[in-house]
Amino acid sequence: EDQVTQSPEALRLQEGESSSLNCSYTVSGLRGLFWYRQDPGKGPEFLFTLYSAGEEKEKERLKATLTKKESFLHITAPKPEDSATYLCAVQGGSQGNLIFGKGTKLSVKP
Amino acid sequence: GAGVSQSPSNKVTEKGKDVELRCDPISGHTALYWYRQSLGQGLEFLIYFQGNSAPDKSGLPSDRFSAERTGGSVSTLTIQRTQQEDSAVYLCASSRTSGGLSYEQYFGPGTRLTVT
Repeated sequence: EDQVTQSPEALRLQEGESSSLNCSYTVSGLRGLFWYRQDPGKGPEFLFTLYSAGEEKEKERLKATLTKKESFLHITAPKPEDSATYLCAVQGGSQGNLIFGKGTKLSVKP
Repeated sequence: GAGVSQSPSNKVTEKGKDVELRCDPISGHTALYWYRQSLGQGLEFLIYFQGNSAPDKSGLPSDRFSAERTGGSVSTLTIQRTQQEDSAVYLCASSRTSGGLSYEQYFGPGTRLTVT
């Protein structure tokens, strides 16, 4: 069964304190791994797509990496506005839908 | 350009009543998805439309749930005889597709459904 597990469930950082969020997955025939950001009361906002092990993508203070079993979202020198829930999802086999993890709630204190 | 829109943004209904939720996808996106998000739970897939193909209904939790997509664009999710456990945020997403390539899904703001 395809599955996505995110850790930690919650992460509290001081402004400027870099860290990483983990997404472990099992899927038959990975077609893509996706990272989203979700603010309270809003729909998920697309961040990155990774297709194959070794791939990396960056956007401002965020960098996503992918191995055959997990993905990391690295946050460098975070700011309070980076506070949100970060969701990881995979698409595998012949599926069209995404399978989501439960997310990591990030809080960045000034 | 315009993103995915959903209406209503909030819906409060009595147990046993039927509700209809609407989704307007991004223009030109051939794939449309419905998910729901319950408190403390991850996003749960409900149904997927791809072009003119038969929809993938494998995520619908019961036969009280149905959805249609008219003209390859607007979609309506219908929940009949609502139950309290149907209370959740219902999210719609759309994406481009091309052969077997997976493109990112863009989400709407969701409809918060409360069944009293």
